[in-house]
Amino acid sequence: EDQVTQSPEALRLQEGESSSLNCSYTVSGLRGLFWYRQDPGKGPEFLFTLYSAGEEKEKERLKATLTKKESFLHITAPKPEDSATYLCAVQDYGGSQGNLIFGKGTKLSVKP
Amino acid sequence: GAVVSQHPSWVICKSGTSVKIECRSLDFQATTMFWYRQFPKQSLMLMATSNEGSKATYEQGVEKDKFLINHASLTLSTLTVTSAHPEDSSFYICSALSEGGSYEQYFGPGTRLTVT
Repeated sequence: EDQVTQSPEALRLQEGESSSLNCSYTVSGLRGLFWYRQDPGKGPEFLFTLYSAGEEKEKERLKATLTKKESFLHITAPKPEDSATYLCAVQDYGGSQGNLIFGKGTKLSVKP
Repeated sequence: GAVVSQHPSWVICKSGTSVKIECRSLDFQATTMFWYRQFPKQSLMLMATSNEGSKATYEQGVEKDKFLINHASLTLSTLTVTSAHPEDSSFYICSALSEGGSYEQYFGPGTRLTVT
């Protein structure tokens, strides 16, 4: 059974304090791993797609990496506006086109 | 690019009435759209997959007669919650599958449904 586990559940950082969020996954065949950002009361905002182990993608202060078992979202020198819940989702080759399996998310709070 | 809108953003209705939620892809064509439900402090759960011109595919445990989905065009899918009850109160979010085979889904801003 496909599974996605994110850790930690919540993370509090001081502005400028870099850290990483973890997403561990179990799938029979990974079609893609997706990172989203979700603000309270809003839909998820697409951040990155990773397809194969060793792949990395960057966007401003965020960098996503992928291994065969997990993905990390590195946040460098975060700012208060980076506060949000970060969601990880995977899609299995065996699943239908839309079947994203989501983790429960990591709620990030960045204090000034 | 890849903007998805939803309407309404929130709705309050009485028990027993029906509510329609619209999902539109604004700057791209979406042959496939998805409907999710999210309860407080929980992650997204896929309800159904909506394909333009064909019947929706519902996930196990989702009542297709209660949650009617219509994907009438390449930019519009609708979800109608029929005979709504308080337990249907939730945050409903749609997404659209991007063109070009990247498997990326772009989400709408969500609709907060409250059934009284």
